[in-house]
Amino acid sequence: SQQGEEDPQALSIQEGENATMNCSYKTSINNLQWYRQNSGRGLVHLILIRSNEREKHSGRLRVTLDTSKKSSSLLITASRAADTASYFCATPWGNQFYFGTGTSLTVIP
Amino acid sequence: GAVVSQHPSWVICKSGTSVKIECRSLDFQATTMFWYRQFPKQSLMLMATSNEGSKATYEQGVEKDKFLINHASLTLSTLTVTSAHPEDSSFYICSGRGGENQPQHFGDGTRLSIL
Repeated sequence: SQQGEEDPQALSIQEGENATMNCSYKTSINNLQWYRQNSGRGLVHLILIRSNEREKHSGRLRVTLDTSKKSSSLLITASRAADTASYFCATPWGNQFYFGTGTSLTVIP
Repeated sequence: GAVVSQHPSWVICKSGTSVKIECRSLDFQATTMFWYRQFPKQSLMLMATSNEGSKATYEQGVEKDKFLINHASLTLSTLTVTSAHPEDSSFYICSGRGGENQPQHFGDGTRLSIL
């Protein structure tokens, strides 16, 4: 299975702290994407990083990609209570699209 | 950003009923649509991938006669859960993608509860 794994599975931090979550995948990819899911809702696309990129920023989000290690990380800086959600990495594989196991982030006000 | 509308958001019905879920891309053409199933506190499991005008490609273990997928236009895909039973209760999410290497845009999901 191409489904990736993320760690940690759950993360609880204080508001203002940084949150880092990691994703590992199994096969070669063209790109890797990060999504956010609020409880009971669909997913919101956060950022896409291509295989020839090593780092990408979007607002308070910073994503890195290491294709040699088949891993990616998502850093959320200066976290807010509203960042509380589950975060998933996703990789395309052929015409399919597979999600990691997810990290549940709780930001305590 | 691109919007995908999924309807209904919540369905409660009796065992044996067939349920249709619609997924519409409102402001882009979704050449590919994906259907996922998600159990509580778990990741999304891909059920099937459909390209407009073609038969859906189902993941291993997903019964194509149980979960009928139609993608007749670039803006609409439907998932019909036929003769639903309590074990089919789950959260179903659709997404659409405009092309390869493009992000997927997700509907808000449908919570299906079979009594």
